Amino acid sequence: NAGVTQTPKFQVLKTGQSMTLQCAQDMNHNSMYWYRQDPGMGLRLIYYSASEGTTDKGEVPNGYNVSRLNKREFSLRLESAAPSQTSVYFCAGGLAGRDTQYFGPGTRLTVL
Amino acid sequence: AQSVTQLDSQVPVFEEAPVELRCNYSSSVSVYLFWYVQYPNQGLQLLLKYLSGSTLVKGINGFEAEFNKSQTSFHLRKPSVHISDTAEYFCAVSDSGSARQLTFGSGTQLTVLP
Repeated sequence: NAGVTQTPKFQVLKTGQSMTLQCAQDMNHNSMYWYRQDPGMGLRLIYYSASEGTTDKGEVPNGYNVSRLNKREFSLRLESAAPSQTSVYFCAGGLAGRDTQYFGPGTRLTVL
Repeated sequence: AQSVTQLDSQVPVFEEAPVELRCNYSSSVSVYLFWYVQYPNQGLQLLLKYLSGSTLVKGINGFEAEFNKSQTSFHLRKPSVHISDTAEYFCAVSDSGSARQLTFGSGTQLTVLP
């Protein structure tokens, strides 16, 4: 039981490049979330998926897209990376009707 | 809309001393309140949560928090800290919607000094 896993752990991109951050969970979570963490700003919600087949925007969705591939997997895509997207990205999962979110270890992304 | 304010960005404290990390929230609806801890280079881990019932909530690692509705606060306390408690602590609030979106505070770095 690995919980919530994220790949890659680290990534360096040039401005304009694209990439997909992967997240998978084996905890049978209905809901999944993508956050970004920036110094002094806590975590901010980018997108979330309340259940398989649905996705919704969070607080800071601009420049990102998501795909809920199946119940286990929720990916985050940067189509054209910008330096402002340099951040640590966390994926989380949670059970519908429950309140605790379980976080992955994070992906540290640098955009040059 | 809801928001969370963590009043102290950094709290240094000596080992075995008590500590309080402050959190205030604003919301127009009933909320659930959480404290998460983040150790260096790791993800977030739940310390404790308040959903309903007793306003004093006990969590892991000897931490507790008290929900005060009139002051819209949810301060975290520990009577005696250890070096291993050095970490960043985040207060968070969620609404009662099915997706349980979390809104986080900006975090408090707790540094325990020997």
